[in-house]
Amino acid sequence: DAEITQSPRHKITETGRQVTLACHQTWNHNNMFWYRQDLGHGLRLIHYSYGVHDTNKGEVSDGYSVSRSNTEDLPLTLESAASSQTSVYFCASSVSGDNSPLHFGNGTRLTVT
Amino acid sequence: GQNIDQPTEMTATEGAIVQINCTYQTSGFNGLFWYQQHAGEAPTFLSYNVLDGLEEKGRFSSFLSRSKGYSYLLLKELQMKDSASYLCAVPNTNAGKSTFGDGTTLTVKP
Repeated sequence: DAEITQSPRHKITETGRQVTLACHQTWNHNNMFWYRQDLGHGLRLIHYSYGVHDTNKGEVSDGYSVSRSNTEDLPLTLESAASSQTSVYFCASSVSGDNSPLHFGNGTRLTVT
Repeated sequence: GQNIDQPTEMTATEGAIVQINCTYQTSGFNGLFWYQQHAGEAPTFLSYNVLDGLEEKGRFSSFLSRSKGYSYLLLKELQMKDSASYLCAVPNTNAGKSTFGDGTTLTVKP
């Protein structure tokens, strides 16, 4: 069955370190997204991609970057981790089109100490 | 920009019916999604409405009024496993990316 996998599931890192969260999907979806979820803020969009070599900033992109070198993967990099980036991160994918539901990975819980 | 409002918490009794409301303000409209998220898990797709009216899917139904910027999710014959957060989401006009409400945490009690 097709799926979307995030790794690691849990990560603890120190302030100032670079961290990369992996996202891999086997749906063959063009669209991929990274969201963060915090209490009181719901899901907020960080970055998204509509296809290979395409990346776009979401509403909370500062301090994050992504790259899309193939259809399956959209890694999220925190350039210099900050305590404000402690959160649960969800990767999602969808087929092209506005009426396509998002398929979410199981999330990565990141703690920045 | 887009703005979505949902109640923060709701409580209901097993076997009852509950209605979770969502109001939205958006510059363009391409439908509305409902997702269910159990604690510690990923959101999963429940329903999509793009036309006015009620869409029924088993115990769950979703309603949309575009003129009022209003939707609700109706859950019938509540079960304990329905205790979860319910997220309302509106996709942007030119993308599949969505703006989410903060979610409504539903607690079902025996």
